[in-house]
Amino acid sequence: GAVVSQHPSWVICKSGTSVKIECRSLDFQATTMFWYRQFPKQSLMLMATSNEGSKATYEQGVEKDKFLINHASLTLSTLTVTSAHPEDSSFYICSARATPSYEQYFGPGTRLTVT
Amino acid sequence: KQEVTQIPAALSVPEGENLVLNCSFTDSAIYNLQWFRQDPGKGLTSLLLIQSSQREQTSGRLNASLDKSSGRSTLYIAASQPGDSATYLCAVLLFAGGTSYGKLTFGQGTILTVHP
Repeated sequence: GAVVSQHPSWVICKSGTSVKIECRSLDFQATTMFWYRQFPKQSLMLMATSNEGSKATYEQGVEKDKFLINHASLTLSTLTVTSAHPEDSSFYICSARATPSYEQYFGPGTRLTVT
Repeated sequence: KQEVTQIPAALSVPEGENLVLNCSFTDSAIYNLQWFRQDPGKGLTSLLLIQSSQREQTSGRLNASLDKSSGRSTLYIAASQPGDSATYLCAVLLFAGGTSYGKLTFGQGTILTVHP
């Protein structure tokens, strides 16, 4: 199957700093990518839908100014957590949708810890 | 609003047993349905994708069926192994034109434990 990578796999940062997470589709082009957040023992929560060349669509309750998403190419989307706080600590997972099957492939996730 | 339910929430079986995981959804106007596996602390691995026009898909020991009219899908795992232990998630994508098109709706998952 297709491969989606995320970098970094884990990151520790201090409160008030910003962190950027990269999501790449390695062997296919993805016009649409997604960013999810997952808390321990819970299901995935969709944060935003990212379309190449246009602004991301954020889910209700997700602060767009805090979670900046950029989808500059057909193989790369980035999520920047700005002014991170301990409550932003979580597991962030991206996914990319292949066409024409619309099968969705997920990255391995990024563990963010804000101290 | 599409709702996806998975039964059972947890399942523990001895190695070698055949098992069935169930998934039901409320809106039958789906584009496709995917079954995923998630290991602790990892991302999701796509197991099987069934398009709305298909009735089943097979990959190795896995077989997934889809009955769109009744809003049900099952994932059949043959000859289970300890390495199959994981959380299994089903997710549906609504058909184009639906207000939620483009976003997967996930079930809560079934936690599978296969013991030696």
